[in-house]
Amino acid sequence: DAGVTQSPTHLIKTRGQHVTLRCSPISGHKSVSWYQQVLGQGPQFIFQYYEKEERGRGNFPDRFSARQFPNYSSELNVNALLLGDSALYLCASSPSRVRETQYFGPGTRLLVL
Amino acid sequence: AQSVTQLGSHVSVSEGALVLLRCNYSSSVPPYLFWYVQYPNQGLQLLLKYTTGATLVKGINGFEAEFKKSETSFHLTKPSAHMSDAAEYFCAVSVGFGNEKLTFGTGTRLTIIP
Repeated sequence: DAGVTQSPTHLIKTRGQHVTLRCSPISGHKSVSWYQQVLGQGPQFIFQYYEKEERGRGNFPDRFSARQFPNYSSELNVNALLLGDSALYLCASSPSRVRETQYFGPGTRLLVL
Repeated sequence: AQSVTQLGSHVSVSEGALVLLRCNYSSSVPPYLFWYVQYPNQGLQLLLKYTTGATLVKGINGFEAEFKKSETSFHLTKPSAHMSDAAEYFCAVSVGFGNEKLTFGTGTRLTIIP
């Protein structure tokens, strides 16, 4: 079975631009979560979506938004990019939202210049 | 709020030696605890997890961890290190029914000395 997939794998943007990152969960998984991993740190929780509704949000500014589609895939959008947004963005999926194991994708590495 | 502390940002062991990576957590409710491994330029792979029941948990690649409530610890061990174990290791906690948010530690980079 295919694991969690993310696209693109790498991305370079300039300050002030907008970016959209995409995630496809494992087949049958209905919950998708997004994490930001800055170099040298552990992942930080951004959002969780379940059944197309936001179920959790971390301590990130409103420039960050996300949505989940009927096929359970998800997009993470970041507006007005800052240099500090440079990071590895990880998507994780799980069957439901009841404390089940989260399976991570390979991530999208974003560099903001 | 929950938190995770990983003691030692860098750990070096000789090939064949014991691996011990330390993790302490803070949680006001019974936690679910996880260890993930991250190889260079890759995502996170689950090594093992503790939910309820047996406190000694066995995972993949010969790793195991023991949940000690009295010490609020969940240390990761492997009896004999292999070169392929070199990676970044993250301890994480999940609390709250219906809340899947994972709170991660800052990670421990494991280096294996030939």
